[in-house]
Amino acid sequence: DAKTTQPPSMDCAEGRAANLPCNHSTISGNEYVYWYRQIHSQGPQYIIHGLKNNETNEMASLIITEDRKSSTLILPHATLRDTAVYYCIVRSLTDSWGKLQFGAGTQVVVTP
Amino acid sequence: DVKVTQSSRYLVKRTGEKVFLECVQDMDHENMFWYRQDPGLGLRLIYFSYDVKMKEKGDIPEGYSVSREKKERFSLILESASTNQTSMYLCASSSLAGGDYEQYFGPGTRLTVT
Repeated sequence: DAKTTQPPSMDCAEGRAANLPCNHSTISGNEYVYWYRQIHSQGPQYIIHGLKNNETNEMASLIITEDRKSSTLILPHATLRDTAVYYCIVRSLTDSWGKLQFGAGTQVVVTP
Repeated sequence: DVKVTQSSRYLVKRTGEKVFLECVQDMDHENMFWYRQDPGLGLRLIYFSYDVKMKEKGDIPEGYSVSREKKERFSLILESASTNQTSMYLCASSSLAGGDYEQYFGPGTRLTVT
């Protein structure tokens, strides 16, 4: 069973904020939300993760709803280099080692 | 910046050949991983290692073996390459502090077995 649901694709204008939603309605209390992206022909890239508080780093912001059933990844000023597939993942730190399971993700296309 | 490098971006081998894929990370990470990525199947874990000379099987270890003689290097070995091992192979590393989900990936090796 998929733990997360994401829209298959979305477009964003260069310079604008990109808001990527993710539903994880069955998330449990000890599960974190992680975001990765994969630019075409490259390896996946870690972006950010959080448990229940909003998080921000140099790449993006992560907003998690109070009930933790959904979250939004925000790219504040999208550039053409942000065109990639973005993956939302939920996982407990007690889950078995190394099982980074990507779903289908959201294909984001940033246009000039 | 974390840097994970893989020995080749593209590789073509014949069926039955022994294939070595090398991965090196320069961040002194304890954990290293090998995945393959295929269209429609996503990322699948082959093997991982959380210490030198230690290894654990992932979801699809059959037909593969690994070696970790030094902390920074993790090798994937295809004992006898087959056409169904044609794939993109990705190496990743993570620190104990970052946990195994804050993984840093290499650029990948696209292997074709003919």
